Amino acid sequence: SQQGEEDPQALSIQEGENATMNCSYKTSINNLQWYRQNSGRGLVHLILIRSNEREKHSGRLRVTLDTSKKSSSLLITASRAADTASYFCATSTGGGNKLTFGTGTQLKVEL
Amino acid sequence: DTEVTQTPKHLVMGMTNKKSLKCEQHMGHRAMYWYKQKAKKPPELMFVYSYEKLSINESVPSRFSPECPNSSLLNLHLHALQPEDSALYLCASSQESLRRSSGSRYEQFFGPGTRLTVL
Repeated sequence: SQQGEEDPQALSIQEGENATMNCSYKTSINNLQWYRQNSGRGLVHLILIRSNEREKHSGRLRVTLDTSKKSSSLLITASRAADTASYFCATSTGGGNKLTFGTGTQLKVEL
Repeated sequence: DTEVTQTPKHLVMGMTNKKSLKCEQHMGHRAMYWYKQKAKKPPELMFVYSYEKLSINESVPSRFSPECPNSSLLNLHLHALQPEDSALYLCASSQESLRRSSGSRYEQFFGPGTRLTVL
C-alpha cells in the first residue's frame, strides 16, 4: 500500500506565485525525499530531509518535516513555467533501499 | 557521468513475445531498481539489487524476471505479459548504505523510462 498521500492532487498557479504541496505518511521514517517528474519521463531528485531535521532549503525550494504529525511540505517560491511537473514525496522506512512514493501533486504554472 | 540510460524508449509486444528492457549506469552505484508506473500514478517498486544480488522482490509475477549481469547493468526480461502490464518502466540507481538497517539514505537517479505497450 502507498505510504504517502499528497494534497492537493492538482495545483494551478500563475508564474511568480508560490506553490505549496503537502505529504502525509503513516509509519516512522528514516528520511523523506521529494522528486519531480516531467510528463512521462524519469524522476529527478529535489531534496532529502532526514527524520531528525525540521526544515531544509535548496534554491527556491523549502521543505519542512513534522514527524509528530507525520507530514511534510514542499514550498516552491517564485514559480516559473518550467516548474510545471508532477511532484512526489517518497519515504524510506526500515532496512534496505526501499522508497515508497506518495500519490503526487500535479503542478501547472501558467504564464 | 550522472546519467542512467534505458533502452528501448518504446516497446510494443504481443502477449506471447519475449523481450528485455535494459538499464545502464556508470556512477559506481551498487544499488539498482526497477519501478513500474501507470498513468497518473506514483512509481511502484518492483525489484532492488544490492551489490548485484536481488535484495527486494515486491511480489512481482514471474513473467517479469530481473537480471544484474554486473554492477553497471540491469535487465528486466519480459515473457507472456498481459495488457495490464502496459506501463512506464523506470530504472534507478543509488549509492548503497553500508548499514542495511539505516534504510535508504541516498537519492535515487532515474532513467527516462521505457514505455511498454502489451497488445
